[in-house]
Amino acid sequence: QVQLQESGPGLVKPSETLSLTCTVSGGSISNSYWSWIRQPPGKGLEWIGYVYYTGITNYNSSLKSRVTISVDTSKNQVSLRLTSVTAADTATYYCAKNSPPRDWGQGTLVTVPS
Amino acid sequence: QAVVTQEPSLTVSPGGTVTLTCGSSTGTVTGAHYPYWFQQKPGQAPRTLIYDTSNKYSWTPARFSGSLLGGKAALTLSGAQPEDEADYYCLLSYNGARVVFGGGTKLTVL
Repeated sequence: QVQLQESGPGLVKPSETLSLTCTVSGGSISNSYWSWIRQPPGKGLEWIGYVYYTGITNYNSSLKSRVTISVDTSKNQVSLRLTSVTAADTATYYCAKNSPPRDWGQGTLVTVPS
Repeated sequence: QAVVTQEPSLTVSPGGTVTLTCGSSTGTVTGAHYPYWFQQKPGQAPRTLIYDTSNKYSWTPARFSGSLLGGKAALTLSGAQPEDEADYYCLLSYNGARVVFGGGTKLTVL
């Protein structure tokens, strides 16, 4: 079972870009899908999208215009970028192996003040 | 976009059996939706319990089982334990690409 660790700023200003990195250890990033999921405080899970190790992506249609998920195989990392954030983007962001997800990271809370 | 529905809350007695369901606004849930089930305890990341309707991982307790029931995906817990108290989420896939989570079921063991 791989280990996944999300990292990035815990506070992002409105209208700016949220950038997170997921570092994968205990296994290769190759030959797998990698997902991002988020969970607003006290609410349910929302699928953001996934990237295949070759770079092929698929995004939630409600976020598609603002989201980019990419992979860096040399660093065994997966990245998430979400532009033009608002308070509604405040959430714990999880990276996960596979789509649908199998192994989950611990998550990282990102706050966008209103 | 499809809406995936779950019971907001359920209660089960210790040692009892409970079934959580997962429905789709588009109609009958089938194996082609590849239903997944996740367990999330307070302050923790979700943990995947069931994949592709009824398949378990090595870490999935034997008392959990997945199925299709009455046009929905179902997660049955037989012999509930206090540590099973958690939020449970299902997930359905649409056309092999789009993925939608249900709103979650808060399960109380009491």
